[in-house]
Amino acid sequence: AQKVTQAQTEISVVEKEDVTLDCVYETRDTTYYLFWYKQPPSGELVFLIRRNSFDEQNEISGRYSWNFQKSTSSFNFTITASQVVDSAVYFCALSEAYRNTPLVFGKGTRLSVIA
Amino acid sequence: EAQVTQNPRYLITVTGKKLTVTCSQNMNHEYMSWYRQDPGLGLRQIYYSMNVEVTDKGDVPEGYKVSRKEKRNFPLILESPSPNQTSLYFCASSFGTGNNEQFFGPGTRLTVL
Repeated sequence: AQKVTQAQTEISVVEKEDVTLDCVYETRDTTYYLFWYKQPPSGELVFLIRRNSFDEQNEISGRYSWNFQKSTSSFNFTITASQVVDSAVYFCALSEAYRNTPLVFGKGTRLSVIA
Repeated sequence: EAQVTQNPRYLITVTGKKLTVTCSQNMNHEYMSWYRQDPGLGLRQIYYSMNVEVTDKGDVPEGYKVSRKEKRNFPLILESPSPNQTSLYFCASSFGTGNNEQFFGPGTRLTVL
């Protein structure tokens, strides 16, 4: 069965610090997709990134970067030079490619960036 | 504007009083689903629908019903709400499962007294 673990429940950093949010997943499929979503205090869910299991290239988007490592079943998310606006709950999620299974979410990591 | 809408956004009700939360999408998506979000538990899927007239249970379907009579609408029905259904509910839609990004509605905060 598929499973996503976000071991960090809450993280607090001071503005401009770098922070990494961990995500470890389990799946029996060889083809799958990993996602990160952001939930700011306003409550909506904002899509950040999708990565398929055949693409292990790291991705950078501005201050955000993602490190996908199949060998350790991890898909970690780093925010460089954090800002107060990054304060949110971040969810990692997994979808298996060829099944009609639901998108499985981790329990989320609450990030607080303090000015 | 491409979006998923939910109504109501906030609802306080009492045990046993039937209610419906509506969900509508304007992106011609085939796949729609409902999630509930609870502290410490993340998001869990309640029901999903692959297409019109096709629905299936997610991880936590007990106490809920859904219907998919039209492609754009996917209402969530609580026939007899109980306090343990107090939660934040999200509707989502996508072109399919797998690699398809799910678009989420703004959420409905439900309190059952």
